[in-house]
Amino acid sequence: GEDVEQSLFLSVREGDSSVINCTYTDSSSTYLYWYKQEPGAGLQLLTYIFSNMDMKQDQRLTVLLNKKDKHLSLRIADTQTGDSAIYFCAERQAGGYNKLIFGAGTRLAVHP
Amino acid sequence: DTGVSQDPRHKITKRGQNVTFRCDPISEHNRLYWYRQTLGQGPEFLTYFQNEAQLEKSRLLSDRFSAERPKGSFSTLEIQRTEQGDSAMYLCASSLPQNTEAFFGQGTRLTVV
Repeated sequence: GEDVEQSLFLSVREGDSSVINCTYTDSSSTYLYWYKQEPGAGLQLLTYIFSNMDMKQDQRLTVLLNKKDKHLSLRIADTQTGDSAIYFCAERQAGGYNKLIFGAGTRLAVHP
Repeated sequence: DTGVSQDPRHKITKRGQNVTFRCDPISEHNRLYWYRQTLGQGPEFLTYFQNEAQLEKSRLLSDRFSAERPKGSFSTLEIQRTEQGDSAMYLCASSLPQNTEAFFGQGTRLTVV
């Protein structure tokens, strides 16, 4: 079946690292994505990882993929108040186009 | 390039009325997608176009919903006889065939009263 699960809420102190976790069920997924959504706005692609990789780093963002456990995580280093938003994990199914299955989102709250 | 553009940004309508939303993808993006996002949930796939051809429709897209992309550029999503359960954010995205990324618009927020 198709299911992407995320914890609903995460609170961190400014300057600390944030780790947002996600599990997915479709082992044929080709790419896995992290999107950010600020209030009333559309989705902003943060980063993605190909399913044959286990890690990708992009400035303050680190994505870890454990394909065996179907577990994906996003680490944000030196979290800032501007990082407060909802973060969505999504899997792209095999099929050659961007049909994405999203999780329900993790709300990240950054406090001073 | 101004990104994916959606119009209107907000729409309030009475139950039973018809509504139509427009999406202008990034120029030269031949793939276009519609998603629906209800409060507190992630986006759910509705339909996919490659050029003017509608190649996949989700079971979420009931008979009251119709999407078109007549010239392979902009797309419209029409909802007939709206119901309160149609209240949601409707998101459009576009991509090129070789892209791993889909770029999303700001969405149209529909409220059915």
